[in-house]
Amino acid sequence: NAGVTQTPKFRVLKTGQSMTLLCAQDMNHEYMYWYRQDPGMGLRLIHYSVGEGTTAKGEVPDGYNVSRLKKQNFLLGLESAAPSQTSVYFCASSPLRGRGPGYTFGSGTRLTVV
Amino acid sequence: GQQLNQSPQSMFIQEGEDVSMNCTSSSIFNTWLWYKQDPGEGPVLLIALYKAGELTSNGRLTAQFGITRKDSFLNISASIPSDVGIYFCAGRRDNYGQNFVFGPGTRLSVLP
Repeated sequence: NAGVTQTPKFRVLKTGQSMTLLCAQDMNHEYMYWYRQDPGMGLRLIHYSVGEGTTAKGEVPDGYNVSRLKKQNFLLGLESAAPSQTSVYFCASSPLRGRGPGYTFGSGTRLTVV
Repeated sequence: GQQLNQSPQSMFIQEGEDVSMNCTSSSIFNTWLWYKQDPGEGPVLLIALYKAGELTSNGRLTAQFGITRKDSFLNISASIPSDVGIYFCAGRRDNYGQNFVFGPGTRLSVLP
């Protein structure tokens, strides 16, 4: 049981380039999330999804787009990367309702924009 | 938006010492979670708290849901080198939603 898998683990982009971060979960979770982690800032929610075909904005959505075409996958896109998007990106998933286990996180993608 | 504060921001302790850290909010929360993040990994859930005053243990870790519902505490007893990492608190205001807000973390270093 892999849990939450993120690819790639590392990436360097030039300013203005685009890329897609992939997140896959095999726990049949309804909810999926994308966070970014910056020093001293904790985890900040970029976008989230409450089910297949649905997405919503989080705390810091600007410059990012997401898609949830399949329940198990949640994609994060950067259309035109900027140095301010240098960060570590975490995907997470959680079950639909109830107390549950909270979030299950992936191991992260370290993105550097030069 | 909702803000969580964690104290201390970082701490250096000797192996074998006990550790205390806390998380505070200006808003009332109905659920508190504590996560640990090892270097290069994603956060992993340690303890979940669902009721004011609740005290829950997980091995050497003990967490409490503050009576005011605006804070939570995490204690680690007899620290060991593998306790090194960043400890995050997370809270949510409703009982069944899944949108948590995270604190900035407490970075723990354990000296042998």
